[in-house]
Amino acid sequence: GDSVTQMEGPVTLSEEAFLTINCTYTATGYPSLFWYVQYPGEGLQLLLKATKADDKGSNKGFEATYRKETTSFHLEKGSVQVSDSAVYFCALYLYNQGGKLIFGQGTELSVKP
Amino acid sequence: EAGVTQFPSHSVIEKGQTVTLRCDPISGHDNLYWYRRVMGKEIKFLLHFVKESKQDESGMPNNRFLAERTGGTYSTLKVQPAELEDSGVYFCASSYRGPDSPLHFGNGTRLTVT
Repeated sequence: GDSVTQMEGPVTLSEEAFLTINCTYTATGYPSLFWYVQYPGEGLQLLLKATKADDKGSNKGFEATYRKETTSFHLEKGSVQVSDSAVYFCALYLYNQGGKLIFGQGTELSVKP
Repeated sequence: EAGVTQFPSHSVIEKGQTVTLRCDPISGHDNLYWYRRVMGKEIKFLLHFVKESKQDESGMPNNRFLAERTGGTYSTLKVQPAELEDSGVYFCASSYRGPDSPLHFGNGTRLTVT
């Protein structure tokens, strides 16, 4: 079935380090892809999205490129800050699935000063 | 605008008891979703309302779970009787047009069944 797999966490980085969180997906159709972020004590927020192959989503210094050939949507940031500490969720949406987003298990990121 | 509001933020109950979670979506959002995250695993879809109608309830785990959205405004999710494996964080989300328009999530209700 359709699914999303993220790299295991927690990920601990020093401030200004480079971040990559891997995300791969399996889908029967042609999905839209999303990254959501959950800061401590808050709900999920959409971080970025891409709706077709080779699209690059970007926001707040984060980027992810929709790679159809490798079925991946890895999240990257060149220089993380303490304020980026959160749980990051990769997700896909298929139009033939009605209303549901399919999420990965989440990757906790902790950035130390 | 006010965001999606969930109540309570945290609930601790004993196995066999009943709990009701509430979600108030953003005003004017016809689409309302319930999701659940259990024990640090993936967030799983439970069901989707369009106004007061259940559009998709394929993710509801069993008949101990009952979701309602009378009048197409707020929604409740009742678990009766609760079991240990029901522990987790229950998220509600709403959107204006459907999942291809931005989903706005609430802060979640953390349910602990002891």
